[in-house]
Amino acid sequence: AQSVSQHNHHVILSEAASLELGCNYSYGGTVNLFWYVQYPGQHLQLLLKYFSGDPLVKGIKGFEAEFIKSKFSFNLRKPSVQWSDTAEYFCAAKGPGGGNKLTFGTGTQLKVEL
Amino acid sequence: NAGVTQTPKFRILKIGQSMTLQCTQDMNHNYMYWYRQDPGMGLKLIYYSVGAGITDKGEVPNGYNVSRSTTEDFPLRLELAAPSQTSVYFCASSYRQHTGELFFGEGSRLTVL
Repeated sequence: AQSVSQHNHHVILSEAASLELGCNYSYGGTVNLFWYVQYPGQHLQLLLKYFSGDPLVKGIKGFEAEFIKSKFSFNLRKPSVQWSDTAEYFCAAKGPGGGNKLTFGTGTQLKVEL
Repeated sequence: NAGVTQTPKFRILKIGQSMTLQCTQDMNHNYMYWYRQDPGMGLKLIYYSVGAGITDKGEVPNGYNVSRSTTEDFPLRLELAAPSQTSVYFCASSYRQHTGELFFGEGSRLTVL
């Protein structure tokens, strides 16, 4: 079965620290990749997406992600986190191997301390 | 634009009771989805719909039913609630299936005791 793995379940950082959250997918062939964010008490919203082209994708609020096909990875990065980045982050993938339905990872809970 | 609206936001059920989670969207999206979110498990697709009158099972459909009589509404029905259905339920919609860009409701927290 197609799957998406997020290996960091809980991450605690201090403000201004750099962030990298790992995401690996098991799809072969063409794949669309996404990062969603869920701030406390809010619904999920799209952070960024990759369909094709430049493997370095920039999203909202200073986030970016790099698609590395050879590693089946789509890691999320931010050079300097803020307290307001405290949230749960979900990687998701969509491809023919998964019936073209979105498959989510288990999520990473990020806490940014002042 | 309200986007995707879910009701109720919270509900406690007794084992064996039934209920319907309501979901409506005002974006004229053809595609609608129901997910459940459990701690450490991410989101699992329960049912989805590609348009009015058409529904299909996702990964975890057992114990649930859906209908799609209009483009706007996609209710999720729980028959004979069980403790395993304690979860947070999210409804979502998208304009096209293949973009993967979903718009989510705020969620419905259901507890079955």
